[in-house]
This record gives sequence, structure tokens and C-alpha cells, in this order.
Amino acid sequence: DTAVSQTPKYLVTQMGNDKSIKCEQNLGHDTMYWYKQDSKKFLKIMFSYNNKELIINETVPNRFSPKSPDKAHLNLHINSLELGDSAVYFCASMGQDYGYTFGSGTRLTVV
Amino acid sequence: GESVGLHLPTLSVQEGDNSIINCAYSNSASDYFIWYKQESGKGPQFIIDIRSNMDKRQGQRVTVLLNKTVKHLSLQIAATQPGDSAVYFCAENIGTGGFKTIFGAGTRLFVKA
Repeated sequence: DTAVSQTPKYLVTQMGNDKSIKCEQNLGHDTMYWYKQDSKKFLKIMFSYNNKELIINETVPNRFSPKSPDKAHLNLHINSLELGDSAVYFCASMGQDYGYTFGSGTRLTVV
Repeated sequence: GESVGLHLPTLSVQEGDNSIINCAYSNSASDYFIWYKQESGKGPQFIIDIRSNMDKRQGQRVTVLLNKTVKHLSLQIAATQPGDSAVYFCAENIGTGGFKTIFGAGTRLFVKA
């Protein structure tokens, strides 16, 4: 069983479209995150939820909207996609030991 | 081989040699540090962690050293193997204002057979 699973793994879409990425964790963790990794491998935190409640919202365009229907799920919806949104998006969950378990990533390409 | 993570993003070592990956962190209030390994096409994977009340911690073939005076972290890999080839990130946990992990820029390690 995959601990943190993201779908889809690859997403190619045109500018202006709206898309969603889904994330689920079966670790029983309370806290989940979205990170964006650019072409230079830099990982930047975007959002964090704790028990369905938003606790971290970094400087991210409001075209990005996270949603957490329950503590095992954290989805990311992106409106009006732009070329600069192309990146790999990672979902992660955090356990009691404060270490992260990451999903395998969603490679988003906006054309 | 030795690398400063933020200034020399690529480190190439011979199989069997020891590797040292260095990292400078930014926040003197950080109290927990982690090294992650990211293989191609995968998410970062936890390797080893250290709390700010320690200066050294050892795992299996890996050792993390913490120097809080100069805000420096290093990862030592003993007897480096081809499977160690990956990008390595140091990360600092900042507990205030919502718990979050800030990642360093990453160092790519190549292991030559």
C-alpha cells in the first residue's frame, strides 16, 4: 500500500485551463502539505492543513486553492493555468516525529 | 568528496569513497533538521534527522553533524554506493506560526562505479 498517493502522475494542459491534483495518505497523520518543486529542484512550501484546517498559506497566487475534505485527503485545484505553473507538485504528510512522507509527485506541464 | 550544498550543487565521488554534503541553514530558531534523499522521478525520502540539542547523530552508513554556532549541517555517507546517487536536501523545521519545513537548495550526488 502506498503511504502517500497522488494522482495524476503526469498532467499536460493548455494555458487558461483549470485542473486538480489529488492526494491521499493512509498513515493516519494529522498534517498534510503541498510543495512545489521547480526545474532547479528547489522545493517551496505552498500550503499546510492540520485536521482539515488550513494552517500555512505561503505567498501563492489565489488561483491555487487547496481543499481538505478529511484529514486523509488534501487536494489542490488550480484555476487559469499559466506557463509558470509548470513544475512538479508534491504532497506530503507529517507524523508525530515531524518527518515528512512524500508522494511521488505530479508533473504539471502547461503549454 | 565534499560539497557545499548551496554553492556547489553537484558532487561526484568514486564508489567506496566517503561523501560529505554540506548545508547552511537560515534560521537560528530552527530546532529540528532533516536530510532527505530524492531519486529521479520520486519524492524526497527521509534519511536521518537531528535535534538542536545534539551535534551528531549516526545511522546506517550516514552521519549528520550540526554546528549551531555557524548554522551549518552536514551529511556524511560512508562507503558510497551507486544507489546513493540522488539529490540530497537539508531541511530545517520552524515551529512557529504553523509547523513547516524549509528545504535547502539541494546537492546532486553522482557515484562513479
